[in-house]
This record gives sequence, structure tokens and C-alpha cells, in this order.
Amino acid sequence: KAGVTQTPRYLIKTRGQQVTLSCSPISGHRSVSWYQQTPGQGLQFLFEYFSETQRNKGNFPGRFSGRQFSNSRSEMNVSTLELGDSALYLCASSLEGQNYGYTFGSGTRLTVV
Amino acid sequence: GQQVMQIPQYQHVQEGEDFTTYCNSSTTLSNIQWYKQRPGGHPVFLIQLVKSGEVKKQKRLTFQFGEAKKNSSLHITATQTTDVGTYFCAGPDSNYQLIWGAGTKLIIKP
Repeated sequence: KAGVTQTPRYLIKTRGQQVTLSCSPISGHRSVSWYQQTPGQGLQFLFEYFSETQRNKGNFPGRFSGRQFSNSRSEMNVSTLELGDSALYLCASSLEGQNYGYTFGSGTRLTVV
Repeated sequence: GQQVMQIPQYQHVQEGEDFTTYCNSSTTLSNIQWYKQRPGGHPVFLIQLVKSGEVKKQKRLTFQFGEAKKNSSLHITATQTTDVGTYFCAGPDSNYQLIWGAGTKLIIKP
């Protein structure tokens, strides 16, 4: 079966711009989580969506937002980009959430210049 | 809030030596999951442990879940270059959120 697909793979944006990242989960998976990972850092949780509802949110500013569609596909948006937003953004899907293993996508590497 | 502590942060080993990483949760976990992230890659799910005292093996990898379901370990026997990467543990909190350890980076000495 197809894995988790994230688009685009790479993105270069200018400070102040906004960006939208997309994630298509594994078919049948209803939970989608987003993480930020910077070099040498662990996984910083952004938010989780389950059946189109945001179930959890990490400690990120309101510039970071997301949504999930009825087909479970998810998008995350970052407005007013800052240099510190440069990171690998990972999407992970799971059948039902935290009691099942997560499958990660390859990520979107965002560079803010 | 709930925390998952993982140690060590780094472990340098000679190829063929063993490797162990430990996770400790501040609260009892319903399950614990282990992931591996190769350099330049994304985390890949390895295993989930659910039962108290559970031990599972995958070839040279042995995973344990403590009796109190608050700690876990991953042990790799006779490391190989393909084992290089960062190993993460993660466990769910009461709000359905997965809490992650900081990861242990396995480095093979040249």
C-alpha cells in the first residue's frame, strides 16, 4: 500500500511569506500528526488531527495552523515566516492515534531566507 | 506534564559492540513505541510494546517494557553499520498525544 506522501519535498521561502504543506496519509488512517525537526533536535510536536478535528496542539505560536479534510488529507500553514522556521516538517499518520504505530512521510524541508 | 526521558543522548560504539538506549516515563504508559531515524531520513516505526514486562526481539534488536510500564529499553547486539541512526521512544499521554524521548544517536567509530 502507498505510504504517507508529503509535498513538496523542498521549499525555499522569504521571511514574511506564508507557506502551505500537504500530507496524504495511508488509506484508512484517520489520525495525522505534524512535527518540526531541526538539525540535531528531536521531534517537536505541532498538532494532531483526527477525523477532521484538531485533537492536540503543541507549544507553537498561532502562526502555525493546520486542518484535515474529509478524506483525511491534511495541510499545515505557516504565516509570516521567520528564519527560525527553517526545518524539516514531518507528517505522520496512524490508524487511530497514539495507541497504534505512526508511519512518517519523507518530510518537507523548508528553508527561510 | 508527562515527560519521557531517554538516555544516553549519544553512544559511540565499535562495530560489533552492543548498544543500549533507555527510556523513562514520569507516568505509567499504556504502550511504548520505538522508532529509528537514519541520517537524512525520517523516523520509521520499529515496534510497539503493550504488556507489563514484555520482551520482543527483532533479529539483533531486543525491546523490553518494564514491569511498572514506566520504562523501556532497546538493546542491539553486535552492531553493524546499518544500525547507525537515532533511536526514539514514544508513549501516549492521557490526552491522546504521543510524548517523545529526545532520542539516542548511535555512532559507529571508524
